[in-house]
Amino acid sequence: GQNIDQPTEMTATEGAIVQINCTYQTSGFNGLFWYQQHAGEAPTFLSYNVLDGLEEKGRFSSFLSRSKGYSYLLLKELQMKDSASYLCAVRDFSQAGTALIFGKGTTLSVSS
Amino acid sequence: NAGVTQTPKFRILKIGQSMTLQCAQDMNHNYMYWYRQDPGMGLKLIYYSVGAGITDKGEVPNGYNVSRSTTEDFPLRLELAAPSQTSVYFCASSYEADSYNEQFFGPGTRLTVL
Repeated sequence: GQNIDQPTEMTATEGAIVQINCTYQTSGFNGLFWYQQHAGEAPTFLSYNVLDGLEEKGRFSSFLSRSKGYSYLLLKELQMKDSASYLCAVRDFSQAGTALIFGKGTTLSVSS
Repeated sequence: NAGVTQTPKFRILKIGQSMTLQCAQDMNHNYMYWYRQDPGMGLKLIYYSVGAGITDKGEVPNGYNVSRSTTEDFPLRLELAAPSQTSVYFCASSYEADSYNEQFFGPGTRLTVL
């Protein structure tokens, strides 16, 4: 079956670095997405990985290991505005519509 | 571009009532999706469409119906509202459903069924 696991909550302080892990089990892996979702708002796209390795985009980086079914999102130089839920989602071509399978999200709280 | 728009933003229904959640996109995307998000849970796919006139069920379709008469619009219909349908509903769209194509989400509709 399909399963995505990520920690429920994390806390960090401004200026720090935080790593949010995601492990997955899917039948037809076709890419992994990270989305950011502020409370009461829609998810917004952060990053995409389909090949093994690190993708860097400003303060955000995402890593993928397909053989281990593992990804992480790395946030550097944390700011208060980074307090949000971070959703790991796997595209699975065995699912209806090649749908995204979402994890439950990791709520990150950044304090000063 | 307005992106993905949804109406209404909030709605309270009584058990047994019906309503339509509206979704529209102006990005000429082929794929459109409806998700529901319950507290502490991941987004669950209700229905999706790969183009005008073509729709199919997702993971949790019971109690819902959809139609796709145009590329732009993808309304979600609740026929007999039940308390279990209390949730936040997100509509999303993407150009294709493979490789890099990310899904763009609308602002959501918060529905309460009492």
